[in-house]
Amino acid sequence: DAKTTQPPSMDCAEGRAANLPCNHSTISGNEYVYWYRQIHSQGPQYIIHGLKNNETNEMASLIITEDRKSSTLILPHATLRDTAVYYCIVRGFGNEKLTFGTGTRLTIIP
Amino acid sequence: EAGVAQSPRYKIIEKRQSVAFWCNPISGHATLYWYQQILGQGPKLLIQFQNNGVVDDSQLPKDRFSAERLKGVDSTLKIQPAKLEDSAVYLCASSLGQGSYNSPLHFGNGTRLTVT
Repeated sequence: DAKTTQPPSMDCAEGRAANLPCNHSTISGNEYVYWYRQIHSQGPQYIIHGLKNNETNEMASLIITEDRKSSTLILPHATLRDTAVYYCIVRGFGNEKLTFGTGTRLTIIP
Repeated sequence: EAGVAQSPRYKIIEKRQSVAFWCNPISGHATLYWYQQILGQGPKLLIQFQNNGVVDDSQLPKDRFSAERLKGVDSTLKIQPAKLEDSAVYLCASSLGQGSYNSPLHFGNGTRLTVT
């Protein structure tokens, strides 16, 4: 399984963009990068995923480097409700299940 | 679209008792997963079903845990007998099907089990 490395914690001021990095240097060509978050007492919530190209949806943007060895999740205007643990996960052939690490605990500061 | 439904939301039992959790996946999702999440850790896969067949149960403690998905829709996870270390949140997730790596897993809000 391709492993990911994330910082254990980050802070971001409310209203600013939150940029969460993830390293996945052993990713294979057919593996996707997925991002989930988990707010206290809830199940993991799907945010976004991508293969090669940058992706954007109503929640966030995902920037994947050209060599695909790292990515950044961007929450454009962070609110207090974005305080959560964010998981970066690599998923693909032979690794269909999601294997969670310890993630990044993001705290949005008023 | 209705999400993944789980019940009960909370359960407290004494050690050596038995307990069962229920999951109803998103309609049309062929793959169903049970995860265990111990406080402070990320979720860990216990078992994966494709329709009513088991794909991966390598992390399931089979001496005390069992799971079934008889008609390929709902699923139950059972623990018998429970131990103190089974205290955790049990999460159910579903996805379209095996090989659909471009389709995300969707999780329920879990059952919080406390074993005393």
